[in-house]
Amino acid sequence: TQLLEQSPQFLSIQEGENLTVYCNSSSVFSSLQWYRQEPGEGPVLLVTVVTGGEVKKLKRLTFQFGDARKDSSLHITAAQPGDTGLYLCAGEGLEYGNKLVFGAGTILRVKS
Amino acid sequence: GAVVSQHPSWVICKSGTSVKIECRSLDFQATTMFWYRQFPKQSLMLMATSNEGSKATYEQGVEKDKFLINHASLTLSTLTVTSAHPEDSSFYICSARDPLEGTEQYFGPGTRLTVT
Repeated sequence: TQLLEQSPQFLSIQEGENLTVYCNSSSVFSSLQWYRQEPGEGPVLLVTVVTGGEVKKLKRLTFQFGDARKDSSLHITAAQPGDTGLYLCAGEGLEYGNKLVFGAGTILRVKS
Repeated sequence: GAVVSQHPSWVICKSGTSVKIECRSLDFQATTMFWYRQFPKQSLMLMATSNEGSKATYEQGVEKDKFLINHASLTLSTLTVTSAHPEDSSFYICSARDPLEGTEQYFGPGTRLTVT
């Protein structure tokens, strides 16, 4: 059983469309991070959210941490081909020690 | 931001040989480093937590005698895949935590291992 359920697993959309990726858990996390990874490279941190209800924006990307700190979402507005990649959510919590718990990932493909 | 490097970026070895992968924190001292394994189009799977000056902590199901981890200095951790077999072929990624920057982990670029 995945500790962090990430959905959808795969998303193929046209340039200009909007999309949302979800990350859900039954556990409470002290912080949650979103990463983007391209093939053959390591994950690159996009954002860290730590406060319940927190919303962070990074250009066309909007990240939200649930009020109960059990879930998070990533919304991309007007997706571009350069957004193509593997998006990973990862959480940290007391019950997991100092380890990051990763979701299964969402493969995003944006077609021009 | 903090930079983590890995060497080599890719390696091909024959079955039965051993391969060493290095992970370095370039501009900070990392008391803790993590080693992950990733299969194509899948998420990262934590293999072990490496603490400077002490033994690594391995995740359940990871053979510590096969995946030897050494964290001899605050900027270097190594992962040695011993007696490699084709099923060990994977993408290995390390990450490091800068204790001065809180709990964020900084990831290396990964090492592609192919065992023939």
